[in-house]
Amino acid sequence: AQKITQTQPGMFVQEKEAVTLDCTYDTSDPSYGLFWYKQPSSGEMIFLIYQGSYDQQNATEGRYSLNFQKARKSANLVISASQLGDSAMYFCAMREGPGGGADGLTFGKGTHLIIQP
Amino acid sequence: NAGVTQTPKFRVLKTGQSMTLLCAQDMNHEYMYWYRQDPGMGLRLIHYSVGEGTTAKGEVPDGYNVSRLKKQNFLLGLESAAPSQTSVYFCASSYKHRGSTDTQYFGPGTRLTVL
Repeated sequence: AQKITQTQPGMFVQEKEAVTLDCTYDTSDPSYGLFWYKQPSSGEMIFLIYQGSYDQQNATEGRYSLNFQKARKSANLVISASQLGDSAMYFCAMREGPGGGADGLTFGKGTHLIIQP
Repeated sequence: NAGVTQTPKFRVLKTGQSMTLLCAQDMNHEYMYWYRQDPGMGLRLIHYSVGEGTTAKGEVPDGYNVSRLKKQNFLLGLESAAPSQTSVYFCASSYKHRGSTDTQYFGPGTRLTVL
């Protein structure tokens, strides 16, 4: 079974609209971390936002927020007021365990987001 | 700060040739990682290191070797390249944090083609 599932291979969104990118995860570890990365066409991986499994509040970073629903095992990324520069691949990733060790991340297959003017 | 840098950016190899990819970080991170990214896939962990002189296997280690002789450098070697190793290779590094974000910061990637 996939540990990280991103069900939207591609999305088209009008500029200035809000966007929700879906991510569901599968783990039996009570401690874990969830990450979102952006990969523009230039290829680099840019860290956007982090949510720990014990965090009580949803994480926010500027226009990015993470809609964390622990019981549903979902960690959707919300981008408010989308901009043309948001066009990119977006990856959801998970670290299993409490952190502090060199735990590799498990990545989903990504969502290709295209913002239309 | 340059962050995480990778050399080279692009490389074409013939089957059977060898090469070394270099990753360097100037953030004094304890942990370093090598991932590969194939079309339509997320990144998969090849090898990682918890400190100088220590390395361990990740999800897809076959055909690769690594070394970490200095804290700031992490080398990925291909002894006998195969077409299946055509991929984009990313290096990442992170702090040794517990109970908080231990975000991995990535280099710009190396695009490797094996003919």
